[in-house]
Amino acid sequence: DAGVIQSPRHEVTEMGQEVTLRCKPISGHNSLFWYRQTMMRGLELLIYFNNNVPIDDSGMPEDRFSAKMPNASFSTLKIQPSEPRDSAVYFCASSLGQGIAQFFGPGTRLTVL
Amino acid sequence: GDSVTQMEGPVTLSEEAFLTINCTYTATGYPSLFWYVQYPGEGLQLLLKATKADDKGSNKGFEATYRKETTSFHLEKGSVQVSDSAVYFCALSTNSGGSNYKLTFGKGTLLTVNP
Repeated sequence: DAGVIQSPRHEVTEMGQEVTLRCKPISGHNSLFWYRQTMMRGLELLIYFNNNVPIDDSGMPEDRFSAKMPNASFSTLKIQPSEPRDSAVYFCASSLGQGIAQFFGPGTRLTVL
Repeated sequence: GDSVTQMEGPVTLSEEAFLTINCTYTATGYPSLFWYVQYPGEGLQLLLKATKADDKGSNKGFEATYRKETTSFHLEKGSVQVSDSAVYFCALSTNSGGSNYKLTFGKGTLLTVNP
């Protein structure tokens, strides 16, 4: 069975450029989560969706970050403009139902120069 | 608010040693509890879970028991292997309104097992 799929796996860009990260959740899952992981701050929840609707975006660091989920099988996280401090590994996770464990994708390692 | 506190790492053990990674939590209501493992260069994988008090989650020789009275969910393994070297995250799942749930993670504990 296909797990959570993320693309690209690695992204290197220059400061000021737009970055778009993509996620395909596990088929049938109705919740989708975006996380950021850094050495300094650990694992942070940025935003999550339930049935394609954003429920809590309080973890989104600032207006440069935006996320969409146009349908049940696709989500994007966009950073515009990107800054060096955005360098991190970004994970997407999905789950089914209430209180059920989340399944994580392999992550996108973003480097902003 | 909800929070998870797990022991600071790194933890370094010899192969076949006994492992304990402590985890305590603060939450309103009755959370579900999880241990996730992250191998180098990979995403987090669910290791085990427990959904109510006194439940024991187990997988791959790892165990953790949901202790409501001490608000703890300590991870244990009787004999670790080199392949267990990874970062371990304790987490709880709580209701954030209506039918919406989210995970709160601890900071992670790096385990290194030497041959």
